[in-house]
Order: sequence, then C-alpha cells, then structure tokens
Amino acid sequence: KNQVEQSPQSLIILEGKNCTLQCNYTVSPFSNLRWYKQDTGRGPVSLTIMTFSENTKSNGRYTATLDADTKQSSLHITASQLSDSASYICVVSEGIGSGTYKYIFGTGTRLKVLA
Amino acid sequence: DAGVIQSPRHEVTEMGQEVTLRCKPISGHDYLFWYRQTMMRGLELLIYFNNNVPIDDSGMPEDRFSAKMPNASFSTLKIQPSEPRDSAVYFCASSHRRSSTDTQYFGPGTRLTVL
Repeated sequence: KNQVEQSPQSLIILEGKNCTLQCNYTVSPFSNLRWYKQDTGRGPVSLTIMTFSENTKSNGRYTATLDADTKQSSLHITASQLSDSASYICVVSEGIGSGTYKYIFGTGTRLKVLA
Repeated sequence: DAGVIQSPRHEVTEMGQEVTLRCKPISGHDYLFWYRQTMMRGLELLIYFNNNVPIDDSGMPEDRFSAKMPNASFSTLKIQPSEPRDSAVYFCASSHRRSSTDTQYFGPGTRLTVL
C-alpha cells in the first residue's frame, strides 16, 4: 500500500536553532516529492519539489534532501525563525501512466518555534 | 494576480442542508484541484479538473459530493445532503500544467461546520 509517513508528529524548538523533519514513503512508481508549509488558517505553500534524479534542493533557509534508494526525504530548517512555526506536509506523487499522477499525503509535522 | 479565490471562507450549516463551495482559479491555469483537510485524515485530494474536464474523482468520498467546472474561471463543490462528518476545511488549488514539477497554488480554504 502506498504510504507517506512523517516524523516527528510535532516539534518545539528555540528560535535560531536548526531542525530536521523526516518523510518516509513506500510509493511506487515514484514521480516526485514535495514539501509544503502550511501556516495556521492558510492554504499550503510549496517549498520544494524534487524528482527522482534530484537529491537536494534549497529554498532559502529550507533544504530538502531525497534518497530514492531508501525512499526517505528530509527537510532541514536552518536558523529557525518565529515565522517558521507551521505544519510541514510531505506529498509524494505516484505516476500512474499517461501523464496522470496520484498524490499520497503525509499527515504533517507541526513545528513550533519559541522566542 | 489575486491568487486562488474561495468563497465563502466560513460556512456553518445544519445536517441535511445543501452546501456549495466556490473557487476561482488563477487565470491561465489549466488544472484545478479540490482538497479536504481534517485533523484525523490530513489533506486529501477529492477531485481534479484539466481544462474544465474532471480527470480523477476517485477521492470523492460519496455520491453526496459533486464538483463542476462550467468554465475556466469557476468551479463548485457541492455536498447534498451534508452530514456532521463533512466538517473540514476545503481547499481549492490550481496549477498551470500537470508535469512532474508543477506547483499548485492553494486558496485560503473554506471552513465548513455541519451541526
């Protein structure tokens, strides 16, 4: 069964510290993996999208890595800020042919950054 | 561009009533997606359209749910009759193309409460 599991479920860190969020998936055939940031009361916003051939991608202080062999991804946040407090959702696309994709969603990691 | 527009932002209704959620995608985007988000199940894709045509509605939970896209700038998600378990935040998203690296832009969501 295609699944995406994220850990930890929630995380509290102090402002200025780094943190890493994990995403493990069993989706096959793999098409791409995305990380979204969702602020409370808002829609998700795309941070990174990685295909099979990409193993790292950065967006400012956010760096995502992908290991397609072990089917693991991580999102590293450097020098956290209060505005990083949000839920982070990992989404893996399953290619089902004819250019059609099926999205498998993780349940997210809720990050709280404290001053 | 104003981004994806959804209305209403909040909807409270009683069980058995018909509910209609509305979405205006970003101009020029060919794909439109409807999602539902709950604490228990996270983000779920309900249905998506390409050029106003429904492509995959396998995520629509029951026949009580229906979605239409009469033109490129408007879509509706209807629940009839509504039930308390339909309470969730419903997001609409749009993207320019459905490639392996397309970015979906989410609206602010409609928070639905069915009493």
